[in-house]
Amino acid sequence: DTGVSQDPRHKITKRGQNVTFRCDPISEHNRLYWYRQTLGQGPEFLTYFQNEAQLEKSRLLSDRFSAERPKGSFSTLEIQRTEQGDSAMYLCASSPPGLAYEQYFGPGTRLTVT
Amino acid sequence: AQSVTQPDIHITVSEGASLELRCNYSYGATPYLFWYVQSPGQGLQLLLKYFSGDTLVQGIKGFEAEFKRSQSSFNLRKPSVHWSDAAEYFCAVGDPGYSTLTFGKGTMLLVSP
Repeated sequence: DTGVSQDPRHKITKRGQNVTFRCDPISEHNRLYWYRQTLGQGPEFLTYFQNEAQLEKSRLLSDRFSAERPKGSFSTLEIQRTEQGDSAMYLCASSPPGLAYEQYFGPGTRLTVT
Repeated sequence: AQSVTQPDIHITVSEGASLELRCNYSYGATPYLFWYVQSPGQGLQLLLKYFSGDTLVQGIKGFEAEFKRSQSSFNLRKPSVHWSDAAEYFCAVGDPGYSTLTFGKGTMLLVSP
């Protein structure tokens, strides 16, 4: 399967703990996006990378959130000191060079904070 | 700021009947418009997109959508629904100056036998 993959698919954590999610984009896609989706809502943009550079961050991305894409391939999204309000589906997408809006999504990581 | 409204939270359609899902957007100029489908446990799949040109666009799985500038709408249609079309459908708008998408809240499609 050469689609976007995300790991883990599900994560249950206690409030105050740190969590890290991984996203592997489609090979040779230079842009990588993170979105968050809560129940009954559409995905909301968090941040995106072009190669290893983080080019835009949403106001939704508080200082407890950090994302990296160190070698322009896979990306990680870390949430520190999780809160119950962080419970959501975290979606990753990638797009090929020159086609920023051709975004291919992964299956998501569902985070539950207890 | 751009926004997307999908007025219908749920829609039930009989198998074989036609389908139209509504989408209205708010944006100062002509945006880029998209429809995605999300099945349980699956990621979002791009059905079709509109950038410019012909206002009727064809997508995968027999779906089409029509851009109407005067109504700020981009409704999704299918002439005959199959049970496998049951899923959640999201309309999205992209600002040509940026690379991010703004999604609506989605419409859940239920298909009855």
